[in-house]
Amino acid sequence: DQQVKQNSPSLSVQEGRISILNCDYTNSMFDYFLWYKKYPAEGPTFLISISSIKDKNEDGRFTVFLNKSAKHLSLHIVPSQPGDSAVYFCAASPLGANSKLTFGKGITLSVRP
Amino acid sequence: NAGVTQTPKFQVLKTGQSMTLQCAQDMNHNSMYWYRQDPGMGLRLIYYSASEGTTDKGEVPNGYNVSRLNKREFSLRLESAAPSQTSVYFCASRENSPLHFGNGTRLTVT
Repeated sequence: DQQVKQNSPSLSVQEGRISILNCDYTNSMFDYFLWYKKYPAEGPTFLISISSIKDKNEDGRFTVFLNKSAKHLSLHIVPSQPGDSAVYFCAASPLGANSKLTFGKGITLSVRP
Repeated sequence: NAGVTQTPKFQVLKTGQSMTLQCAQDMNHNSMYWYRQDPGMGLRLIYYSASEGTTDKGEVPNGYNVSRLNKREFSLRLESAAPSQTSVYFCASRENSPLHFGNGTRLTVT
C-alpha cells in the first residue's frame, strides 16, 4: 500500500517557466512533508519542507503548498533552470523529531534550455 | 566535515556471497537509516537505528542485517546475496533535522 504517491514519473518544462510537481498521500497521521532533490550518482539532498500547521512555505525559487483536506502537496519552481533537472522525491512522516520518513517514487524533472 | 560517508561506491557480487556496506557520519547524529532505491520504487527503508545500541526493521528488511557499531557507524550486511538485492543503497542520518544522505553504494548481484 503506497502511502506517498507521485503519479507522474516525469515532467519536462522550458527554462524560465514554472515547474509544478505533485504529491498525494493517504496516511492521515502524516504531519510533516519534505521534498528531496537527487542528481545522478549522488545521494538525495533536502530541498524544502512544510508542517501541517501551514499551507505554504517559500524558499527562494521553491514553494511548497499543502492542502491537508485533499491530502495533496505540490512543489513549485519558478523560474525553472536547467540545473533543476533532477529526480524529486516527496516524503512524509508523522510529527516527532526523528519519525520515519515514507518516500514517493520520485519525479524526473527535465528543464529544457 | 564529510557528512555521511558510504563505502564501497560500487560492488559486484555473485549469488550467495556475503558483504557488508559501511556507513559513517561525523555530524553527531543519533538516528541512522539504510534505504534502497530501485527504478520505479522510490526509496524504501530497510533498517534504522534511532540511537546507539538500538536497531529496528523498516519496510523491506528481509535478507539484511545491521549493526550500530557506535554513534558514528551503521553497517548493513547481506549474508547471502540474491539478484533481487541488486540496487543502490543509501545510508542517512538525522538529529531533529531532515535526513542527510550519503552518495550511495551501487550493488549488482549476478
